[in-house]
Amino acid sequence: QKEVEQNSGPLSVPEGAIASLNCTYSDRGSQSFFWYRQYSGKSPELIMFIYSNGDKEDGRFTAQLNKASQYVSLLIRDSQPSDSATYLCAVTGNQFYFGTGTSLTVIP
Amino acid sequence: DAGVIQSPRHEVTEMGQEVTLRCKPISGHNSLFWYRQTMMRGLELLIYFNNNVPIDDSGMPEDRFSAKMPNASFSTLKIQPSEPRDSAVYFCASSLLQRNTEAFFGQGTRLTVV
Repeated sequence: QKEVEQNSGPLSVPEGAIASLNCTYSDRGSQSFFWYRQYSGKSPELIMFIYSNGDKEDGRFTAQLNKASQYVSLLIRDSQPSDSATYLCAVTGNQFYFGTGTSLTVIP
Repeated sequence: DAGVIQSPRHEVTEMGQEVTLRCKPISGHNSLFWYRQTMMRGLELLIYFNNNVPIDDSGMPEDRFSAKMPNASFSTLKIQPSEPRDSAVYFCASSLLQRNTEAFFGQGTRLTVV
């Protein structure tokens, strides 16, 4: 079983809509949770992190964590074409475990 | 800080040749990770070091791959002999893992083995 699971997509949403990205993890001892964005041909860059159960908002981005369900999500409100990228979920235990990423396309 | 620095950015080599990828982590970070990324398999952890010591190398595909971290500011990933299926983007990342901070990625090395 993979440590971190994501739907690979692709996920397509119209401009201005809400994009919802989901991630599940297997290690209940995981402590920190991250969302990275990766544009084609570039390296992953951090966009959100969350440590506690609940929601964390940063601009158009909201990360949600439910440790009981071992579930992390990322919501992107008012999606823009510039949000088109692959989104990677990462979880830390004794190392960083990455999901394989979800490809998001925002259609103008 | 200049961030994580990888070299070379691009490498094209012939099958059977030795390839060495280099990484300079962010100063003060104590954890270093080597990842390989392909379209088919996504981002795969090859090996990670903590305080220059290899902790988990279970992701290293086979004996042709080796990694070293002789000091806190430098690491290498070597492939000998290289094969076409090794073609991928190789990322190095560093972090202060114990403090649950994020991993910072280098720009990657795009390796093509022909």
